[in-house]
Amino acid sequence: LAKTTQPISMDSYEGQEVNITCSHNNIATNDYITWYQQFPSQGPRFIIQGYKTKVTNEVASLFIPADRKSSTLSLPRVSLSDTAVYYCFVDMRFGAGTRLTVKP
Amino acid sequence: EPEVTQTPSHQVTQMGQEVILRCVPISNHLYFYWYRQILGQKVEFLVSFYNNEISEKSEIFDDQFSVERPDGSNFTLKIRSTKLEDSAMYFCASLNEGAENEQFFGPGTRLTVL
Repeated sequence: LAKTTQPISMDSYEGQEVNITCSHNNIATNDYITWYQQFPSQGPRFIIQGYKTKVTNEVASLFIPADRKSSTLSLPRVSLSDTAVYYCFVDMRFGAGTRLTVKP
Repeated sequence: EPEVTQTPSHQVTQMGQEVILRCVPISNHLYFYWYRQILGQKVEFLVSFYNNEISEKSEIFDDQFSVERPDGSNFTLKIRSTKLEDSAMYFCASLNEGAENEQFFGPGTRLTVL
């Protein structure tokens, strides 16, 4: 089973770029890396997914180095509404989550 | 936009009682999942279901748990004899074929075992 490690919490200010890194040292060859966002009292919501290199969509970018042992979720120009818990998800397992707090 | 729905939103039960949590996945999705989240903790995988059978389950999903897709729309999680430590949010999720891990989660059922 792939075990993931990510920071417990991060603080940022509106308009800044936020990067959250997850390590997954024993990721399997066929595992994708997925990130979810969760607001209080809601189910997780898909943000982005990748296998290698860089993936970008309308809300985030995901950077995955060649060895795939880590991944970095990048949120450009965060707003107050981005305050949430962000989970790295590998091999059907969620990480412990990173609580992002965006301040005005 | 299609969404996963779950009922009830909150279920209170006595220890030892059986509960059934219900989910209606997105209609054309083929993969179904149950997760749980104990208050203040991370989301934990319970079970995945495809083609009318369990495809994977975690160590949490022991003999007191079972899943069923009784008809073409519902997906249920049964806990046979609830324990205090089963108190948690239970999330259902569904996935379309070819969408890798882009799971769509329901709003959850809060289970409280007294």
